[in-house]
Amino acid sequence: NAGVTQTPKFRILKIGQSMTLQCTQDMNHNYMYWYRQDPGMGLKLIYYSVGAGITDKGEVPNGYNVSRSTTEDFPLRLELAAPSQTSVYFCASSFVRGGSSGANVLTFGAGSRLTVL
Amino acid sequence: QKEVEQNSGPLSVPEGAIASLNCTYSDRGSQSFFWYRQYSGKSPELIMFIYSNGDKEDGRFTAQLNKASQYVSLLIRDSQPSDSATYLCAVTATTDSWGKLQFGAGTQVVVTP
Repeated sequence: NAGVTQTPKFRILKIGQSMTLQCTQDMNHNYMYWYRQDPGMGLKLIYYSVGAGITDKGEVPNGYNVSRSTTEDFPLRLELAAPSQTSVYFCASSFVRGGSSGANVLTFGAGSRLTVL
Repeated sequence: QKEVEQNSGPLSVPEGAIASLNCTYSDRGSQSFFWYRQYSGKSPELIMFIYSNGDKEDGRFTAQLNKASQYVSLLIRDSQPSDSATYLCAVTATTDSWGKLQFGAGTQVVVTP
């Protein structure tokens, strides 16, 4: 049981390049999330998904795209990388029963550190 | 703009003492409150969550919730050097049927031997 697996752990991009951060979970969780964390800051929600085929924007979605074709995978796509996207990215997942949002306990991946130069 | 606010610290605590961390939130109708611990360079991990006013204890940790005053706190008893980390407060907004969490910026705790 690996939990939430993110790849790559580290990546350096040049301005304008694109890349995909991969996230896979093996806990059969229905909810998945992408957060970014800048130094000294809390976690900001980029995108989330409540099930395969369903995604929605979070607080800071600009410059990113997601898809959720399976329960397990939730990749985050960065298009035209900018220095402002330099951050640590965390994927997380949770299991929420029948629309109830009360016990939404997140399990996080180890994080992906992205630098855009 | 819904906000979750924490004192950034660092909060310096002698080993064996009680560390007291506070978190205030602006959404009066918030219903679920979480404390996560994050070691430097690592991902957040859940310590505990609380829904009801009052205290909830789990080992050396106690969460305290006061909805009328819109704050939630975390007490760490018998603090150990291994408790040195950043503690993130998270809140589920009232209007969010999907239960998304809003995080504070975290309080850094340093336990000194």
